[in-house]
Amino acid sequence: DAKTTQPPSMDCAEGRAANLPCNHSTISGNEYVYWYRQIHSQGPQYIIHGLKNNETNEMASLIITEDRKSSTLILPHATLRDTAVYYCIVRGYGQNFVFGPGTRLSVLP
Amino acid sequence: GAGVSQSPSNKVTEKGKDVELRCDPISGHTALYWYRQRLGQGLEFLIYFQGNSAPDKSGLPSDRFSAERTGESVSTLTIQRTQQEDSAVYLCASSLARGVSTDTQYFGPGTRLTVL
Repeated sequence: DAKTTQPPSMDCAEGRAANLPCNHSTISGNEYVYWYRQIHSQGPQYIIHGLKNNETNEMASLIITEDRKSSTLILPHATLRDTAVYYCIVRGYGQNFVFGPGTRLSVLP
Repeated sequence: GAGVSQSPSNKVTEKGKDVELRCDPISGHTALYWYRQRLGQGLEFLIYFQGNSAPDKSGLPSDRFSAERTGESVSTLTIQRTQQEDSAVYLCASSLARGVSTDTQYFGPGTRLTVL
């Protein structure tokens, strides 16, 4: 079973920031938070991951709360091509990735 | 460099036939995973290979499913006597190694299998 809880769907206006929440209240100290996305008819695409500190790369920012029980993926300027299912995954050393149902993000023109 | 590639991209077969799906991982990646994704569903783990270690077959749904990998190269997933419920997209992913703190998986485009 997935160790994360995400809203099933969200909308975001094109050009605005998309903030996707994820709850992982049972996360262990050595488990990382990963985000992937899956655009229709494609394989999942890695976005970002983190342990404790906030992370930023060319695609997104990851904000992890101090107690690590939740996190938010931020797409700073959403485009129509960001419409996808976004998966939040908690994974520890040597564990499999368990993909839950994710959040279906619709970026609207 | 080249990403994970899979072939064929689409496969239509008749119930009862055997099918073989191929995955070419990223060069240098020792870990290789197979997943199944039914229409509108999430990813379902099938099997994992790490170098020359015994594979983790815990996700294979039945003995009709098998997979092979020689060393750190190509992998093939074989489904024998296909059933209609086997219809799905079969995804392959590779990573540097599972036995590290971070193990980012990179996915191929998938093979869409349709069993008539």
